[in-house]
Amino acid sequence: ETGVTQTPRHLVMGMTNKKSLKCEQHLGHNAMYWYKQSAKKPLELMFVYNFKEQTENNSVPSRFSPECPNSSHLFLHLHTLQPEDSALYLCASSHESSSGGANEQFFGPGTRLTVL
Amino acid sequence: GQNIDQPTEMTATEGAIVQINCTYQTSGFNGLFWYQQHAGEAPTFLSYNVLDGLEEKGRFSSFLSRSKGYSYLLLKELQMKDSASYLCAVRDSNYQLIWGAGTKLIIKP
Repeated sequence: ETGVTQTPRHLVMGMTNKKSLKCEQHLGHNAMYWYKQSAKKPLELMFVYNFKEQTENNSVPSRFSPECPNSSHLFLHLHTLQPEDSALYLCASSHESSSGGANEQFFGPGTRLTVL
Repeated sequence: GQNIDQPTEMTATEGAIVQINCTYQTSGFNGLFWYQQHAGEAPTFLSYNVLDGLEEKGRFSSFLSRSKGYSYLLLKELQMKDSASYLCAVRDSNYQLIWGAGTKLIIKP
Protein backbone atom coordinates (compact mmCIF):
# COMPACT_ATOMS: atom_id res chain seq x y z
CA GLU A 1 0.00 0.00 0.00
CA THR A 2 1.21 3.48 -0.76
CA GLY A 3 0.07 6.98 0.15
CA VAL A 4 -2.92 7.46 2.42
CA THR A 5 -5.59 4.78 2.69
CA GLN A 6 -9.02 4.96 4.28
CA THR A 7 -11.57 2.32 5.17
CA PRO A 8 -14.40 1.87 4.65
CA ARG A 9 -14.96 3.79 1.43
CA HIS A 10 -18.72 3.90 1.99
CA LEU A 11 -20.71 3.67 5.23
CA VAL A 12 -24.42 3.82 5.92
CA MET A 13 -25.42 3.96 9.56
CA GLY A 14 -28.42 4.67 11.72
CA MET A 15 -28.42 7.39 14.33
CA THR A 16 -28.04 4.89 17.17
CA ASN A 17 -25.11 2.98 15.65
CA LYS A 18 -21.45 3.16 16.63
CA LYS A 19 -18.85 2.88 13.89
CA SER A 20 -15.22 3.81 13.29
CA LEU A 21 -13.38 5.22 10.30
CA LYS A 22 -9.78 4.18 9.78
CA CYS A 23 -6.92 6.01 8.11
CA GLU A 24 -3.38 4.81 7.50
CA GLN A 25 -0.49 6.71 5.96
CA HIS A 26 2.57 5.06 4.45
CA LEU A 27 4.54 8.26 3.82
CA GLY A 28 6.48 8.60 7.07
CA HIS A 29 4.63 11.80 7.93
CA ASN A 30 4.31 13.16 11.46
CA ALA A 31 0.96 14.97 11.22
CA MET A 32 -2.51 13.63 10.41
CA TYR A 33 -5.83 15.35 9.89
CA TRP A 34 -9.56 14.64 9.71
CA TYR A 35 -11.66 16.82 7.41
CA LYS A 36 -15.37 16.92 6.64
CA GLN A 37 -16.35 17.75 3.05
CA SER A 38 -19.96 18.67 2.30
CA ALA A 39 -21.27 19.55 -1.13
CA LYS A 40 -20.36 23.06 -2.28
CA LYS A 41 -18.77 23.92 1.07
CA PRO A 42 -15.13 24.43 2.00
CA LEU A 43 -13.25 21.61 3.61
CA GLU A 44 -13.84 21.74 7.36
CA LEU A 45 -10.88 20.82 9.52
CA MET A 46 -12.05 18.63 12.40
CA PHE A 47 -8.95 17.34 14.16
CA VAL A 48 -5.17 17.63 13.84
CA TYR A 49 -2.59 15.31 15.33
CA ASN A 50 1.01 16.45 15.25
CA PHE A 51 3.60 13.97 16.54
CA LYS A 52 0.60 11.96 17.86
CA GLU A 53 -0.58 14.80 20.06
CA GLN A 54 -3.93 16.37 19.27
CA THR A 55 -3.19 20.00 18.53
CA GLU A 56 -6.48 21.14 17.06
CA ASN A 57 -10.12 20.48 17.72
CA ASN A 58 -12.30 22.92 15.85
CA SER A 59 -15.38 22.77 18.09
CA VAL A 60 -16.41 19.41 16.73
CA PRO A 61 -19.40 17.77 18.46
CA SER A 62 -18.51 15.09 20.98
CA ARG A 63 -20.28 12.45 18.89
CA PHE A 64 -17.03 12.47 16.86
CA SER A 65 -14.06 11.08 18.78
CA PRO A 66 -10.58 10.83 17.25
CA GLU A 67 -7.85 8.39 18.18
CA CYS A 68 -4.22 8.39 17.03
CA PRO A 69 -2.42 5.33 18.41
CA ASN A 70 0.77 6.01 16.42
CA SER A 71 2.05 8.34 13.73
CA SER A 72 0.76 6.10 10.92
CA HIS A 73 -2.80 5.43 12.05
CA LEU A 74 -5.77 7.63 12.75
CA PHE A 75 -9.31 6.69 13.68
CA LEU A 76 -12.56 8.60 13.88
CA HIS A 77 -15.08 6.99 16.20
CA LEU A 78 -18.70 7.83 15.48
CA HIS A 79 -21.71 7.48 17.78
CA THR A 80 -25.28 8.80 17.83
CA LEU A 81 -24.73 10.79 14.66
CA GLN A 82 -27.30 13.07 13.05
CA PRO A 83 -28.45 13.10 9.40
CA GLU A 84 -26.60 16.42 8.90
CA ASP A 85 -23.35 14.56 9.59
CA SER A 86 -23.71 12.83 6.23
CA ALA A 87 -20.67 13.92 4.20
CA LEU A 88 -17.33 12.81 2.79
CA TYR A 89 -14.76 12.38 5.56
CA LEU A 90 -11.21 12.86 4.37
CA CYS A 91 -8.01 11.94 6.12
CA ALA A 92 -4.75 13.69 5.25
CA SER A 93 -1.14 13.59 6.38
CA SER A 94 1.87 15.87 6.06
CA HIS A 95 5.44 16.24 7.20
CA GLU A 96 5.58 19.18 9.54
CA SER A 97 8.94 20.78 10.25
CA SER A 98 10.29 24.08 11.50
CA SER A 99 12.38 24.58 8.39
CA GLY A 100 9.51 25.91 6.33
CA GLY A 101 8.55 24.74 2.87
CA ALA A 102 5.25 23.63 1.41
CA ASN A 103 4.67 20.66 3.73
CA GLU A 104 1.67 19.91 1.56
CA GLN A 105 -1.03 17.58 2.77
CA PHE A 106 -1.65 14.24 1.10
CA PHE A 107 -5.24 13.05 1.16
CA GLY A 108 -6.85 9.66 1.33
CA PRO A 109 -9.81 8.77 -0.93
CA GLY A 110 -12.34 9.48 1.81
CA THR A 111 -15.24 7.68 3.43
CA ARG A 112 -18.68 8.59 2.08
CA LEU A 113 -20.89 8.54 5.20
CA THR A 114 -24.68 8.48 5.11
CA VAL A 115 -26.60 8.77 8.36
CA LEU A 116 -30.20 7.62 8.18
CA GLY B 1 -13.26 36.28 10.07
CA GLN B 2 -11.19 34.34 7.60
CA ASN B 3 -12.46 33.97 4.07
CA ILE B 4 -11.40 32.43 0.77
CA ASP B 5 -13.39 33.33 -2.35
CA GLN B 6 -13.29 31.56 -5.69
CA PRO B 7 -15.87 31.17 -8.45
CA THR B 8 -18.28 28.28 -8.02
CA GLU B 9 -18.11 27.01 -11.57
CA MET B 10 -16.32 27.76 -14.84
CA THR B 11 -16.59 26.33 -18.34
CA ALA B 12 -13.82 26.22 -20.93
CA THR B 13 -13.06 24.57 -24.25
CA GLU B 14 -10.58 21.77 -24.86
CA GLY B 15 -7.23 23.20 -26.00
CA ALA B 16 -7.94 26.65 -24.57
CA ILE B 17 -6.58 28.51 -21.52
CA VAL B 18 -8.50 29.16 -18.31
CA GLN B 19 -7.68 31.26 -15.24
CA ILE B 20 -9.24 30.45 -11.88
CA ASN B 21 -9.05 33.29 -9.38
CA CYS B 22 -8.84 33.13 -5.60
CA THR B 23 -9.00 36.03 -3.15
CA TYR B 24 -8.35 35.63 0.53
CA GLN B 25 -8.62 37.42 3.85
CA THR B 26 -6.87 35.50 6.59
CA SER B 27 -5.19 36.12 9.93
CA GLY B 28 -1.62 35.84 8.78
CA PHE B 29 -0.20 34.21 5.67
CA ASN B 30 2.19 31.30 5.42
CA GLY B 31 1.61 30.15 1.89
CA LEU B 32 -1.15 29.45 -0.61
CA PHE B 33 -1.98 26.08 -2.10
CA TRP B 34 -3.92 24.85 -5.09
CA TYR B 35 -5.37 21.34 -5.12
CA GLN B 36 -7.21 19.41 -7.83
CA GLN B 37 -10.09 17.12 -6.92
CA HIS B 38 -11.78 14.86 -9.45
CA ALA B 39 -15.32 13.80 -8.62
CA GLY B 40 -15.32 11.04 -6.01
CA GLU B 41 -11.58 11.22 -5.50
CA ALA B 42 -9.09 12.71 -3.04
CA PRO B 43 -7.73 16.23 -3.49
CA THR B 44 -4.22 16.17 -4.95
CA PHE B 45 -1.60 18.88 -4.52
CA LEU B 46 -0.92 21.08 -7.55
CA SER B 47 1.10 24.10 -6.43
CA TYR B 48 2.42 26.19 -3.56
CA ASN B 49 3.17 29.93 -3.53
CA VAL B 50 4.66 31.79 -0.60
CA LEU B 51 6.39 34.67 -2.42
CA ASP B 52 4.86 37.03 -4.96
CA GLY B 53 5.09 36.00 -8.56
CA LEU B 54 4.43 33.15 -10.92
CA GLU B 55 5.26 29.48 -10.36
CA GLU B 56 5.13 27.38 -13.51
CA LYS B 57 4.75 23.61 -13.55
CA GLY B 58 4.10 22.21 -16.99
CA ARG B 59 0.65 23.20 -18.26
CA PHE B 60 -0.26 24.65 -14.86
CA SER B 61 0.95 27.95 -13.39
CA SER B 62 0.02 29.69 -10.15
CA PHE B 63 0.39 33.37 -9.35
CA LEU B 64 0.40 35.17 -6.01
CA SER B 65 0.10 38.79 -4.93
CA ARG B 66 0.25 39.01 -1.15
CA SER B 67 -0.45 42.75 -1.06
CA LYS B 68 -3.71 42.18 -2.95
CA GLY B 69 -4.66 38.94 -1.20
CA TYR B 70 -4.99 37.36 -4.63
CA SER B 71 -3.93 34.27 -6.50
CA TYR B 72 -4.81 32.59 -9.74
CA LEU B 73 -4.31 29.16 -11.24
CA LEU B 74 -3.70 29.17 -14.99
CA LEU B 75 -4.34 26.02 -16.98
CA LYS B 76 -3.07 25.90 -20.57
CA GLU B 77 -3.83 23.51 -23.44
CA LEU B 78 -6.85 22.22 -21.61
CA GLN B 79 -7.60 18.51 -21.79
CA MET B 80 -10.83 16.71 -20.97
CA LYS B 81 -9.10 15.12 -17.96
CA ASP B 82 -8.71 18.62 -16.46
CA SER B 83 -12.43 18.60 -15.68
CA ALA B 84 -12.36 18.69 -11.88
CA SER B 85 -12.78 20.96 -8.90
CA TYR B 86 -9.87 23.25 -8.04
CA LEU B 87 -9.43 24.14 -4.38
CA CYS B 88 -7.58 27.20 -3.11
CA ALA B 89 -6.26 27.10 0.46
CA VAL B 90 -4.25 29.54 2.57
CA ARG B 91 -2.09 28.60 5.55
CA ASP B 92 -2.74 31.12 8.30
CA SER B 93 -0.65 32.38 11.22
CA ASN B 94 -1.46 29.20 13.18
CA TYR B 95 -0.21 27.09 10.27
CA GLN B 96 -3.73 25.78 9.65
CA LEU B 97 -5.15 25.58 6.13
CA ILE B 98 -8.21 27.73 5.39
CA TRP B 99 -10.02 26.35 2.35
CA GLY B 100 -12.16 27.85 -0.36
CA ALA B 101 -15.31 26.02 -1.50
CA GLY B 102 -13.64 25.07 -4.78
CA THR B 103 -14.20 25.92 -8.44
CA LYS B 104 -15.79 23.25 -10.59
CA LEU B 105 -14.17 23.39 -14.03
CA ILE B 106 -16.11 21.92 -16.93
CA ILE B 107 -14.21 21.26 -20.15
CA LYS B 108 -16.19 21.02 -23.37
CA PRO B 109 -14.93 19.46 -26.62
